[in-house]
Formats: sequence, C-alpha cells, structure tokens
Amino acid sequence: QVQLVQSGAEVKKPGASVKVSCKASGYTFSSYGISWVRQAPGQGLEWMGWISAYNGNTNYAHNLQGRVTMTTDTSTSRAYMELRSLRSDDTAVYYCARDYYDSSGYYGGLGYWGQGTLVTVSS
Amino acid sequence: QSALTQPASVSGSPGQSITISCTGTSSGVGGYNYVSWYQHHPGKAPKLMIYDVSNRPSGVSNRFSGSKSGNTASLTISGLQAEDEADYYCNSYTSSNFPVFGGGTKLTVL
Repeated sequence: QVQLVQSGAEVKKPGASVKVSCKASGYTFSSYGISWVRQAPGQGLEWMGWISAYNGNTNYAHNLQGRVTMTTDTSTSRAYMELRSLRSDDTAVYYCARDYYDSSGYYGGLGYWGQGTLVTVSS
Repeated sequence: QSALTQPASVSGSPGQSITISCTGTSSGVGGYNYVSWYQHHPGKAPKLMIYDVSNRPSGVSNRFSGSKSGNTASLTISGLQAEDEADYYCNSYTSSNFPVFGGGTKLTVL
C-alpha cells in the first residue's frame, strides 16, 4: 500500500532553514508528483508547491518563491522540502502528498498524504 | 493566490444532509472541472473525498457527492454520521497554474 512517512518535528530559530523529508513506499516513486502543503496553527491548508519525481520539474507558490526548494532522490524514494529564512509565521505542520490518478489515468488531486511534520520557529 | 471562500462552519444532526459551498472565480472554479474536496480530522492527514468536481476515489462512501454551478462548487454529505465531523477543504486549479485551497469549513454533527 502507498505510504508516505515524514521526518520528525523540528524547532528552528528565525532566519534558519529547515529541510523536511518524505519517504515513499508501495509504488514506483518516479511515476508520481509530490506536493507540499502546510497548515499554520488555527489556519487552513496552504499549497506550497509541487515537484515531479520523474524529472524534477517544480512549481512553487508565488509567496514562497525564493525561499523554498523541493527536491527528490529517486535512489531512496524520498522527497525533500527546504524552507529558508524562517519566520515565526512559518510555524506550521508540513505535509507531503502524492498525486492521485484514477483507473482511467485522470489526475484527481492529492490522494495520499504523509503524517505531517511540525516545524516550530521561535527565538 | 486568493483562497476560495467557504463558510466557516456548518452543522447537522445524524441522518440529515448538509452542503458546503466553495466560491471562486471564473479563472478557477468556474473555468475548470478540477475541484477537489478534502476531509481533515485534526491531528490526522487530510483525505481526498471528491476530485474533478464530482468523482469519488475508490473507498470513499457514496454519501459524499460533489457538484458545481458557475463559480461555486459544493460538497454534499447525506446521512450524516458522527465520524463525518471534521474540517473540509475545497481545492481548485487556477489559470495561474497554481492550485488553491478554500479557507476550510468545520462540520459539527449535533
């Protein structure tokens, strides 16, 4: 079965960087894209960006461009999300999620999610 | 990108039906049939409930249905059950090539 297992919670100081990993299993890693979504305390879901595990193409949310980098390592079936110049409002639970395709091959959104990684930014 | 507009909360009694709306623009919800809905129990991973406006992934109960009219998409849950109590988020592709989430709706089962 498809599983996405994320790295553990992090505490960072303002201005630092954080790199969250997402280990995939149960499918051919390079066949599906991975999105990253975050949820700040008391807030809704925010789409951060997407990376193709096939060729590394990325698409980042406008408000994070320049601070976020998404990468994949097909040898270990891992996706990574690095966020730099952290601010207090980056405190959130960060999720990785895999593309969903139905039986007809149509893209259907984010069908499989990791358990989430809490990143706390505090001085 | 602007979030899609959802009601902050809705409620219903067990067995009843409720509908959650999701309003966007003609360059998003109204322009594409790429609306999806996610159920999110606090502390757990979100779950895809509806994709492409009205399609259910395998394993999702047929009590959940989706529709769209103009710039507004809707999620309807029939035969409400206690376990349906959760936060629900819509998501839509936009002409900016970015998907955007709604602000979320808290469903309370009375």
